[in-house]
Amino acid sequence: ILNVEQSPQSLHVQEGDSTNFTCSFPSSNFYALHWYRWETAKSPEALFVMTLNGDEKKKGRISATLNTKEGYSYLYIKGSQPEDSATYLCAFKSAGGTSYGKLTFGQGTILTVHP
Amino acid sequence: KAGVTQTPRYLIKTRGQQVTLSCSPISGHRSVSWYQQTPGQGLQFLFEYFSETQRNKGNFPGRFSGRQFSNSRSEMNVSTLELGDSALYLCASSLVAGLTNEKLFFGSGTQLSVL
Repeated sequence: ILNVEQSPQSLHVQEGDSTNFTCSFPSSNFYALHWYRWETAKSPEALFVMTLNGDEKKKGRISATLNTKEGYSYLYIKGSQPEDSATYLCAFKSAGGTSYGKLTFGQGTILTVHP
Repeated sequence: KAGVTQTPRYLIKTRGQQVTLSCSPISGHRSVSWYQQTPGQGLQFLFEYFSETQRNKGNFPGRFSGRQFSNSRSEMNVSTLELGDSALYLCASSLVAGLTNEKLFFGSGTQLSVL
């Protein structure tokens, strides 16, 4: 069974703070790493799909980096706003083994941005 | 373009009963995958369907089954319900299945409570 871990489990920041959190995944059989944002009472929404080692993606104030050799990805939020409050999920897609083609999700980081 | 539609939104059942959940993907999407979310757990992969065929399966007992119709709509069935099956069940759609870089589009989920 694949292990995808996210840290921290939860985070409280003040409006305007920049923050980042981590997703750790297996360094073998890597195919892709997904990031999703899940706001309360809504559906999870894709932020990024990352496939190449060293990849960096950006969407507005949110950016992500990927290191497939050491098995981690960072998500950064610059100048957090209350509307950024959500659970951020990462998911690892395996290219081999018994988890071939499956998306394995981490447990998420719950971000709360206080005005 | 309509999003992923899941019905019903809420369900209350008793132990031993069976339940069927429905998912209509985004028009043109041929892959539907199902996930279970329980408190304290990340999204757990149930199965993935593409072109009416199950392409991948998670580690769930045989009481959990699904199918996909020619219009790509999918149903998930849980027989002989147990208390531990109480969860939010999410479905997600994408154009294709398997080793793809596509992001998933999620529905709002069906909240199942087993009493």
